[in-house]
Amino acid sequence: SQQGEEDPQALSIQEGENATMNCSYKTSINNLQWYRQNSGRGLVHLILIRSNEREKHSGRLRVTLDTSKKSSSLLITASRAADTASYFCATDQETSGSRLTFGEGTQLTVNP
Amino acid sequence: GAVVSQHPSRVICKSGTSVKIECRSLDFQATTMFWYRQFPKKSLMLMATSNEGSKATYEQGVEKDKFLINHASLTLSTLTVTSAHPEDSSFYICSADMQGGYTFGSGTRLTVV
Repeated sequence: SQQGEEDPQALSIQEGENATMNCSYKTSINNLQWYRQNSGRGLVHLILIRSNEREKHSGRLRVTLDTSKKSSSLLITASRAADTASYFCATDQETSGSRLTFGEGTQLTVNP
Repeated sequence: GAVVSQHPSRVICKSGTSVKIECRSLDFQATTMFWYRQFPKKSLMLMATSNEGSKATYEQGVEKDKFLINHASLTLSTLTVTSAHPEDSSFYICSADMQGGYTFGSGTRLTVV
């Protein structure tokens, strides 16, 4: 079952602005991952943050994890039109045996 | 990096026929593969976990006789949608477990007419 909830469901910004997406989950996790999906395509892994980490950076991406609130955020800085895609968080739950549970996703549109 | 090759990318079939989707791990061995289904503008729903050499584990509500999974080798897992109906039209994606990391196929758009 899907346990992740993401907000906003859709986000439209101008090029150069920052985009923040949030994800909440319900059970204890081993790690949380963020993926990107272009329309009609497969998923591309962006970043993984472990349950004992609080923040992680990768290029223009910054991910935070608050296990006390069971939430995570993905920040994309200096957005580009090419960042337009759907973004999903996925949790690797402690009891799931390596199965990922995906959030509902945020559709990001970056206008040139 | 590790790649999972998924074929076909698109398939249109007639109602009542069966369709096979293949996922191959390139340059690595995938002991475990996962099959997901995705409806338009929705998230990925895990259908089943496929383990090489053993029976797949299906999620609750997924008909194992309708969605046949075979994982006969460490580099190939297949999903066969049997007696397809229009409601089976969806986007199917496979994923391989790489011991802590996951690599996804590019997906298959199935349209049943």
